[in-house]
Amino acid sequence: GPKVLQIPSHQIIDMGQMVTLNCDPVSNHLYFYWYKQILGQQMEFLVNFYNGKVMEKSKLFKDQFSVERPDGSYFTLKIQPTALEDSAVYFCASSLYWGGAGTGQLYFGEGSKLTVL
Amino acid sequence: GDSVTQTEGPVTLSEGTSLTVNCSYETKQYPTLFWYVQYPGEGPQLLFKVPKANEKGSNRGFEATYNKEATSFHLQKASVQESDSAVYYCALGTGYNTNTGKLTFGDGTVLTVKP
Repeated sequence: GPKVLQIPSHQIIDMGQMVTLNCDPVSNHLYFYWYKQILGQQMEFLVNFYNGKVMEKSKLFKDQFSVERPDGSYFTLKIQPTALEDSAVYFCASSLYWGGAGTGQLYFGEGSKLTVL
Repeated sequence: GDSVTQTEGPVTLSEGTSLTVNCSYETKQYPTLFWYVQYPGEGPQLLFKVPKANEKGSNRGFEATYNKEATSFHLQKASVQESDSAVYYCALGTGYNTNTGKLTFGDGTVLTVKP
């Protein structure tokens, strides 16, 4: 089936540094998402993105977070600067239509595990 | 806000036995309900979804009925296989034509099936 690829699978960085998580979505998809899962907790919505713009973000999407997809390349999540509480697995997802209801379906990547020391 | 509560894990079963994973939800909006499954080393993938009250979704022998009155969406399978070992997530989307892909997930239930 359709695949969403995430790079890197695991990254360890020092607190205060910048990190960029990359997502290669399904080729014809138009809607993109990031979810965050802290170890042992629920997967939580961070942000969605369509037509070059953030459409909705949660309270977890702090000012230090940003997303972009320049010229149809990777959909990226950048955290600058990082904090200890940013340690989590970040899942990227994409969909052809809005994926929460109706005809939409989210396709998730395998996740990028971020460890902030 | 919206919330999803599902059976705490881990759940360990023998092959051929039946599975029930309970899921209940709370929302003030119109819900669509999902079950996602995550196999080791992979991302969550959609098992099935049900957008309408009192309808059933099914896939790969798993099924769940969206019970609007009970606000429940329990996952069931009559006879599990070792290959069903995975993490199962109940998820809630709201607003049939207005939802923007924001899903509320349950904690996940780790299922291990022993041969």
